[in-house]
Amino acid sequence: EAGVVQSPRYKIIEKKQPVAFWCNPISGHNTLYWYLQNLGQGPELLIRYENEEAVDDSQLPKDRFSAERLKGVDSTLKIQPAELGDSAVYLCASSPGGAGLYQETQYFGPGTRLLVL
Amino acid sequence: DAKTTQPPSMDCAEGRAANLPCNHSTISGNEYVYWYRQIHSQGPQYIIHGLKNNETNEMASLIITEDRKSSTLILPHATLRDTAVYYCIVRSNTGKLIFGQGTTLQVKP
Repeated sequence: EAGVVQSPRYKIIEKKQPVAFWCNPISGHNTLYWYLQNLGQGPELLIRYENEEAVDDSQLPKDRFSAERLKGVDSTLKIQPAELGDSAVYLCASSPGGAGLYQETQYFGPGTRLLVL
Repeated sequence: DAKTTQPPSMDCAEGRAANLPCNHSTISGNEYVYWYRQIHSQGPQYIIHGLKNNETNEMASLIITEDRKSSTLILPHATLRDTAVYYCIVRSNTGKLIFGQGTTLQVKP
């Protein structure tokens, strides 16, 4: 079974440029998560989708970040415009959904490493 | 959301058991304890989770104290490939995984 797929794996851009990250969750997983991981820190949740609905986006900086999961499968996270402080690893995770929040196991992709110059 | 406390780093000799402690004194009765690990340049990998009883799978064992205020992850025979950052997480009642800084385990030959 294929795991969570993310692309690109690495991205280098200049500040003020836009950037987009793509995630394809494990087949059949209804819940999708985007996390941000700064160097030396644990991942922090940005947004959670249940199918195509964003059910928790309280930590997403909405002035420059946006996300979509139009058909409830793959998802795109965008930053426009990027700032120097956005340099980090962006992780996508998925879980089956429907099993009850207390024991939903999340499976992570390899992440996209972003460097803003 | 319950907070966890872990030592920042630990060493373990290859082939020996690695015992990683975690304190979660503010855990609520219906909150699960999850363990993930993150090998350098990879995404976090699920290891094990539990509520009250001890749990074991092919990767590790999880020992939760009777009062549920602390737990220990046990890797029975550590290998060099087990070198990673290990995160102990109490899953919140909103379903969130709130990662701390974890324990960096260095397995040495």
